[in-house]
Amino acid sequence: GNSVTQMEGPVTLSEEAFLTINCTYTATGYPSLFWYVQYPGEGLQLLLKATKADDKGSNKGFEATYRKETTSFHLEKGSVQVSDSAVYFCALSDGPNFNKFYFGSGTKLNVKP
Amino acid sequence: NAGVMQNPRHLVRRRGQEARLRCSPMKGHSHVYWYRQLPEEGLKFMVYLQKENIIDESGMPKERFSAEFPKEGPSILRIQQVVRGDSAAYFCASSGQDLTDTQYFGPGTRLTVL
Repeated sequence: GNSVTQMEGPVTLSEEAFLTINCTYTATGYPSLFWYVQYPGEGLQLLLKATKADDKGSNKGFEATYRKETTSFHLEKGSVQVSDSAVYFCALSDGPNFNKFYFGSGTKLNVKP
Repeated sequence: NAGVMQNPRHLVRRRGQEARLRCSPMKGHSHVYWYRQLPEEGLKFMVYLQKENIIDESGMPKERFSAEFPKEGPSILRIQQVVRGDSAAYFCASSGQDLTDTQYFGPGTRLTVL
């Protein structure tokens, strides 16, 4: 079956620190991979995506590379800001049609000034 | 272009009552998805609908839960005879005609069952 595993949080970093949030997946087909971000009291916003192996998704300084050999899609940012504090969800959609998403349990990021 | 809209944002019900959650997709979107987020957990897929059709309801509990997306008006997620375990955030997402379009999420409805 399909599933997504994320590192447990919370992750607490100082401003300008380097961020890595690990995400690994299990899928029966050729999934597309996503990172969504959820700010307090809000819905999920798409952060970035990659639709095939070796693709790199990037947005707002965040990036993640689709690694088929390690079934991973780790999220990275070189220098975090206080405004990046949120919950980050890794997700996959199996196959070419994004009909159903499978989400990880989320990783809460706290960035301190 | 307004985003996905959900109402109410917060809903309180007593055990045994009915809860109705509404979702208006983004303009031009014809696919609607409902997800449930329990505290400290990720989102779990419930149902996928197109106008007047349920395409995939594999994540819906077999009893008390139903969903519709009529030709006119918002999509409705209906929970009958709510129990405390139904307390959660319910998110709606929509996508366009192209099934490779990304899903865009609404702000969610937080249901509390007393």
